[in-house]
Amino acid sequence: TQLLEQSPQFLSIQEGENLTVYCNSSSVFSSLQWYRQEPGEGPVLLVTVVTGGEVKKLKRLTFQFGDARKDSSLHITAAQPGDTGLYLCAGGGKLIFGQGTELSVKP
Amino acid sequence: NAGVTQTPKFQVLKTGQSMTLQCAQDMNHEYMSWYRQDPGMGLRLIHYSVGAGITDQGEVPNGYNVSRSTTEDFPLRLLSAAPSQTSVYFCASSTGRSQETQYFGPGTRLLVL
Repeated sequence: TQLLEQSPQFLSIQEGENLTVYCNSSSVFSSLQWYRQEPGEGPVLLVTVVTGGEVKKLKRLTFQFGDARKDSSLHITAAQPGDTGLYLCAGGGKLIFGQGTELSVKP
Repeated sequence: NAGVTQTPKFQVLKTGQSMTLQCAQDMNHEYMSWYRQDPGMGLRLIHYSVGAGITDQGEVPNGYNVSRSTTEDFPLRLLSAAPSQTSVYFCASSTGRSQETQYFGPGTRLLVL
């Protein structure tokens, strides 16, 4: 059974700080996706990483897929209150999800 | 396009009652799925469908039934509601091809007393 473990589960930081969220597994994934979910809404796709070692940037967000395709990270530079939300990694044919990282950015 | 729509938005049930959560998409997607979301547990797959007439179980299928008679609709039925089914339910759809985006509905918040 494929499992995805995210850390940390909760993160509360001040505006302007940097942060990294991790998504780890003992299984190899052909690709991993990152979603962001705001309260009362469904998750929305941010990015898909497909190649080992791949790095993708989305404005202040940097996503990396591990060389062995078992892990991924999301780094946010100079966090803003608008970044507040639940960040979820997901992968696999049936799309399983990690438990999520709840980020709160205070002004 | 409306995308993925879900009804109702909120429902309260008594233990033992049955109900159907509706999900519809207008993107002509073949793949549809149902997830439940509980605090600290991310989203867990209940059932999924790769096309009309084809359904299969996910991680947590017990207590739920699905059917897929059309491409557009994928209802989720709770046969006899239990307090453990209190959760937020999300329907999603995609083209079904690997690495494609899953589009989620706004969710149905269910409380079973």
